Amino acid sequence: SAVISQKPSRDICQRGTSLTIQCQVDSQVTMMFWYRQQPGQSLTLIATANQGSEATYESGFVIDKFPISRPNLTFSTLTVSNMSPEDSSIYLCSVEGLILDTQYFGPGTRLTVL
Amino acid sequence: DQQVKQNSPSLSVQEGRISILNCDYTNSMFDYFLWYKKYPAEGPTFLISISSIKDKNEDGRFTVFLNKSAKHLSLHIVPSQPGDSAVYFCAARAQGGSEKLVFGKGTKLTVNP
Repeated sequence: SAVISQKPSRDICQRGTSLTIQCQVDSQVTMMFWYRQQPGQSLTLIATANQGSEATYESGFVIDKFPISRPNLTFSTLTVSNMSPEDSSIYLCSVEGLILDTQYFGPGTRLTVL
Repeated sequence: DQQVKQNSPSLSVQEGRISILNCDYTNSMFDYFLWYKKYPAEGPTFLISISSIKDKNEDGRFTVFLNKSAKHLSLHIVPSQPGDSAVYFCAARAQGGSEKLVFGKGTKLTVNP
């Protein structure tokens, strides 16, 4: 399976600021995904990021709030912009798995917005 | 509207006994189902999956059963071990080529020694 790392692992931020989360994979992958898990809730897909094209956002998520970069086949960033306490969540990146139809997840970034 | 539901937030079992985690879904377009296990401060780890053309898939101590008519699946862990204590997420994918996974809220399993 792919080894996925995320930075930072956790952060506490002030309202109105932005945070960029990095996701690094140890092998080249076509598709990377960004999820959010709010407290007590399920994992919700924010967007799918393919290298060389614009990210595809799910309903309820917009590029201005969650801009994503995908500069190469091993790296992606998610920015949480103009944060509010409602953005306090665990943010996870994932990649397509070697086993068909599976995804492998990074360790997550725990974000708290005050 | 939750398309994948795990109605039991928590489950506690004794070591050596069977753990049964349940999952219901509402979208008849789902054709592939997965179970993930998540330890604190770690990302979800893929455990086992099942295609809608099957009704059972087994991998060691883990077995997933799918009842399409009832839109229900379950994960059986036999025998349960303390190291199995984690949050288990059920996920589903709809046919049509999208890679999107839809997750339930998870069930926290505690296996007591």
